[in-house]
Amino acid sequence: DVKVTQSSRYLVKRTGEKVFLECVQDMDHENMFWYRQDPGLGLRLIYFSYDVKMKEKGDIPEGYSVSREKKERFSLILESASTNQTSMYLCASGGRTNYGYTFGSGTRLTVV
Amino acid sequence: AQSVTQLGSHVSVSEGALVLLRCNYSSSVPPYLFWYVQYPNQGLQLLLKYTSAATLVKGINGFEAEFKKSETSFHLTKPSAHMSDAAEYFCAVSDLAPFALNFGKGTSLLVTP
Repeated sequence: DVKVTQSSRYLVKRTGEKVFLECVQDMDHENMFWYRQDPGLGLRLIYFSYDVKMKEKGDIPEGYSVSREKKERFSLILESASTNQTSMYLCASGGRTNYGYTFGSGTRLTVV
Repeated sequence: AQSVTQLGSHVSVSEGALVLLRCNYSSSVPPYLFWYVQYPNQGLQLLLKYTSAATLVKGINGFEAEFKKSETSFHLTKPSAHMSDAAEYFCAVSDLAPFALNFGKGTSLLVTP
């Protein structure tokens, strides 16, 4: 089975801190995604990447950046964390087909 | 962009009753459609997917969904609800390459004894 691993399940950070959320997949997938999940809003796409060093903005990229230096790793960066970035963050990966993706367990980030 | 609308943010059924979760899609091209389930404090798990083959799609845990082009719908059903089915369910449609998923807002399923 494809495994998508997110480095932290729970994270508490202070306003203004730089925050790194890490995601690693073990199936040599080309596509990787970062979503944010909030009650009543469902999942919203922040950024995605379809190859190493390639990145594309999703629906809500403001306040975030990403890095993909290796195929298996996709990092989400909050340059200066704010309280409105308190949320559940979900990483997903998939191959070059249109058959759905595998999600990690999520990181619940609280910014205080 | 392709999108989906899930009707009903909360659905409650009795154990043993039919489960019906509604999803309508908006797509300019033949869509690829998905249902995912999320249990508390977990990530999303793929239940089933429609990829333009058979219109009736069977998934895990006894769930199935039927693609109806004339109604632009992809409703999820299960003949008999089990307590363990209580979870959040998300319908999603795949956008054009590289196939980012656009999700509905989710439906929370409650199963009562």
